[in-house]
Amino acid sequence: DGGITQSPKYLFRKEGQNVTLSCEQNLNHDAMYWYRQDPGQGLRLIYYSQIVNDFQKGDIAEGYSVSREKKESFPLTVTSAQKNPTAFYLCASSIAGGAADTQYFGPGTRLTVL
Amino acid sequence: AQSVTQLDSQVPVFEEAPVELRCNYSSSVSVYLFWYVQYPNQGLQLLLKYLSGSTLVKGINGFEAEFNKSQTSFHLRKPSVHISDTAEYFCAVSERTSGSRLTFGEGTQLTVNP
Repeated sequence: DGGITQSPKYLFRKEGQNVTLSCEQNLNHDAMYWYRQDPGQGLRLIYYSQIVNDFQKGDIAEGYSVSREKKESFPLTVTSAQKNPTAFYLCASSIAGGAADTQYFGPGTRLTVL
Repeated sequence: AQSVTQLDSQVPVFEEAPVELRCNYSSSVSVYLFWYVQYPNQGLQLLLKYLSGSTLVKGINGFEAEFNKSQTSFHLRKPSVHISDTAEYFCAVSERTSGSRLTFGEGTQLTVNP
């Protein structure tokens, strides 16, 4: 089955620790995205990548980092500099990164900072 | 920069009743418009999108939306809802000239009661 895999589904972290969220897609899509979802705030774009070895900051990139070494993988690191990291994180991909393209979403990772 | 406003945060309805979820957007350039649905603890799934042409767009699960350029609206409708339509619905917009950056509204929780 083609799709997007995010792991783990639930993640707990102690304050001050970095943590990396995994996102893998086998759709052969060029573009990948990371969103953060908080109750009542919709989805906000953290980072996106339209091609391997290149990525751009979204609206709330502070305290996060990404890499895009392979087409199918786009891991997100939540660093200790992120002040309120507890949230639901969603990864998405689209075929070419065009404005009309449908974005396909993974099932999400719920991060809780203890 | 574009913005999206979903006018109702919660919409409760009875099964088999019609429903309309309202969405207004703001942008200085031409846009593409999307509606996504999110079931509890899952990722988002595309319901429908407006790219060009007919202003009435039909999507999956019996939903449709109408693009109104003069009122900058893209309201989502279904003539008869089912219990299984209970979910959160997000309106989103991308500017035609700025690639695949989606801006989401805050979401509308649709609850269908028996």
